[in-house]
Amino acid sequence: GENVEQHPSTLSVQEGDSAVIKCTYSDSASNYFPWYKQELGKRPQLIIDIRSNVGEKKDQRIAVTLNKTAKHFSLHITETQPEDSAVYFCAALDTGRRALTFGSGTRLQVQP
Amino acid sequence: GAVVSQHPSWVICKSGTSVKIECRSLDFQATTMFWYRQFPKQSLMLMATSNEGSKATYEQGVEKDKFLINHASLTLSTLTVTSAHPEDSSFYICSARTSSDNEQFFGPGTRLTVL
Repeated sequence: GENVEQHPSTLSVQEGDSAVIKCTYSDSASNYFPWYKQELGKRPQLIIDIRSNVGEKKDQRIAVTLNKTAKHFSLHITETQPEDSAVYFCAALDTGRRALTFGSGTRLQVQP
Repeated sequence: GAVVSQHPSWVICKSGTSVKIECRSLDFQATTMFWYRQFPKQSLMLMATSNEGSKATYEQGVEKDKFLINHASLTLSTLTVTSAHPEDSSFYICSARTSSDNEQFFGPGTRLTVL
């Protein structure tokens, strides 16, 4: 099955700085990699996803890069704002089960 | 976007009782629904995958006789926690997807507290 590792577990940045969260996965057949933002007690919210036929995708201040050869994908948030503070999860599709395997999460804190 | 609801949003029950949680896709047909459990400060752990009209597939370590899943229609899946114990206290989240895409749509979650 799929195994997803996520780093760092916590990340503190100053408002306006960039934040980068990295994930690796094990299933070379995986073809779908979403990123979620979760606030305390709430459902995970999809913020961006990437499919294996592209290497990078951007949506305003958020971008995701994918390196299929190395089985890495990363989330980049630029010009961070206090409201970006939350827990972020990466996930990869386990192609056998067509289910998502989640990373362990990154607690991002943006200091005003 | 696609909307998934969950009911109840929170429940407190006594040890030994059973609790049923409903997950509904409101504006699309969900051929597959997933049930996750999330303990405080931890990630989402997949418990089981349910396809409409067939038996659920449980992840390793999840007791199928304790966590009963029914996916009787394309818009409704239920999770029943039988004989709940304090260690079952957790945040239970469902998600749903269609047959044609991998994107999953999450419900708002149910916080279960077993006394």
